[in-house]
Amino acid sequence: NAGVTQTPKFQVLKTGQSMTLQCAQDMNHNSMYWYRQDPGMGLRLIYYSASEGTTDKGEVPNGYNVSRLNKREFSLRLESAAPSQTSVYFCASRGSNQPQHFGDGTRLSIL
Amino acid sequence: AQSVTQLGSHVSVSEGALVLLRCNYSSSVPPYLFWYVQYPNQGLQLLLKYTSAATLVKGINGFEAEFKKSETSFHLTKPSAHMRDAAEYFCAVSDNGGSEKLVFGKGTKLTVNP
Repeated sequence: NAGVTQTPKFQVLKTGQSMTLQCAQDMNHNSMYWYRQDPGMGLRLIYYSASEGTTDKGEVPNGYNVSRLNKREFSLRLESAAPSQTSVYFCASRGSNQPQHFGDGTRLSIL
Repeated sequence: AQSVTQLGSHVSVSEGALVLLRCNYSSSVPPYLFWYVQYPNQGLQLLLKYTSAATLVKGINGFEAEFKKSETSFHLTKPSAHMRDAAEYFCAVSDNGGSEKLVFGKGTKLTVNP
């Protein structure tokens, strides 16, 4: 019973490198979300996908792109990483009339 | 626009004492309100949610929260703290307009002293 699986769990990048964070859920949920968590800031929504084939910007989308590959998978891409994108990234999914379920996070450091 | 304010970034209590974590919200529509808990190096786990039914909401691990519209508050309480309650707690609000985009507070780290 995996729930929401995020890969990788840890990553170190150099400024300017690109990277894709992967998220997959096995609960047949329609909605999926990407958040970033920074100390003292709580979680902030980057992008979300209400259903397969749709994506929308959240509060802090600049510097990121997303792909809802299919119902299970929702990836987050950093095209040219910047030190300000050092953060912990969380993926979540939600079924109809249910709360969001979160993955364990990806800890990303950009040097 | 919606927002959440959590009063106190750090709260410290003794084991067995009352836990009170404060959350005030701002919303132009009837809100849905949530409390999540985060243990070290883990994701967020739902403690409880308010969705316009009963104003007193009971959650997991002995926690409960009361929705007070007049005070725009949704404070989290537990009568007797346990060491395992040490974690960071997040209050969140959504308008449940279908997408359920959550707006989180900045979090309150709870320390439980023996």
